[in-house]
Amino acid sequence: DGGITQSPKYLFRKEGQNVTLSCEQNLNHDAMYWYRQDPGQGLRLIYYSQIVNDFQKGDIAEGYSVSREKKESFPLTVTSAQKNPTAFYLCASSIHLTVNSNQPQHFGDGTRLSIL
Amino acid sequence: AQSVTQLDSHVSVSEGTPVLLRCNYSSSYSPSLFWYVQHPNKGLQLLLKYTSAATLVKGINGFEAEFKKSETSFHLTKPSAHMSDAAEYFCVVSALSSGGGADGLTFGKGTHLIIQP
Repeated sequence: DGGITQSPKYLFRKEGQNVTLSCEQNLNHDAMYWYRQDPGQGLRLIYYSQIVNDFQKGDIAEGYSVSREKKESFPLTVTSAQKNPTAFYLCASSIHLTVNSNQPQHFGDGTRLSIL
Repeated sequence: AQSVTQLDSHVSVSEGTPVLLRCNYSSSYSPSLFWYVQHPNKGLQLLLKYTSAATLVKGINGFEAEFKKSETSFHLTKPSAHMSDAAEYFCVVSALSSGGGADGLTFGKGTHLIIQP
C-alpha cells in the first residue's frame, strides 16, 4: 500500500542536541510538507518542497532545517536553536503543491518530540 | 488576507443524532476547501474537498459539506453520529496568492467532536 511513513513515533531530545525526524513517501508525489501541531492549535507550516532539490521556508522555519535530495524523502532536523521543540510533527505530501493543483495532502502518523 | 474560523472548539452529540461542525472562511480569491479528520496520535485523513464544482460535496464515512459563497461557510454535517466519529476535525482553505500560509494553505484550529453513548 502507498503511503507516508514517519519515524520514530516518539523522540526525546536533550538540551543542545540536534535531532532528525524521518519522512518517506512511496506515492510518487512531487510536493512534501512539514507541520508542527501544538495542543489546541491548528497546523503550522515549517517547510515545504515543491520538487526534488528545492524547498521553501514556511511560517515557523526558525530553528529547523530540511533537505530534499530524493523525491521520496524529506527529513526534518530540529536544531538546538529551536527553544521550544516539544510538539507533534506531521509530514504530508501531495501530487503537486496543493495551492496550484487543488490536490489534497496525504499525512503520515506523526512524530511526538519531547525534551528530556 | 485569508482566514479560517471553526466556530466551535468542542461539539458534543449523542450517538445516532446529527452532527454539525461549522467553518467560515475569508479569501480574496475563489478558494478550494477541505475537511480533514484526525484521530488521537494519528495524522490527518481527508474527508472531502470542494474545488468549484458542485456546492454540495459528499465525503467518506457519511459526511458531507455545503459550500455557501454568500455566507462564506463550508459546514460539515453527518445525519447520524457514530462512536467512531469521535475525533478532531480541521477545515482548510487553499487559494493562490491568497495571503494565507507560505504554501497558500490556512488551517482552522480544529473542532473536537465528542460522541455520547
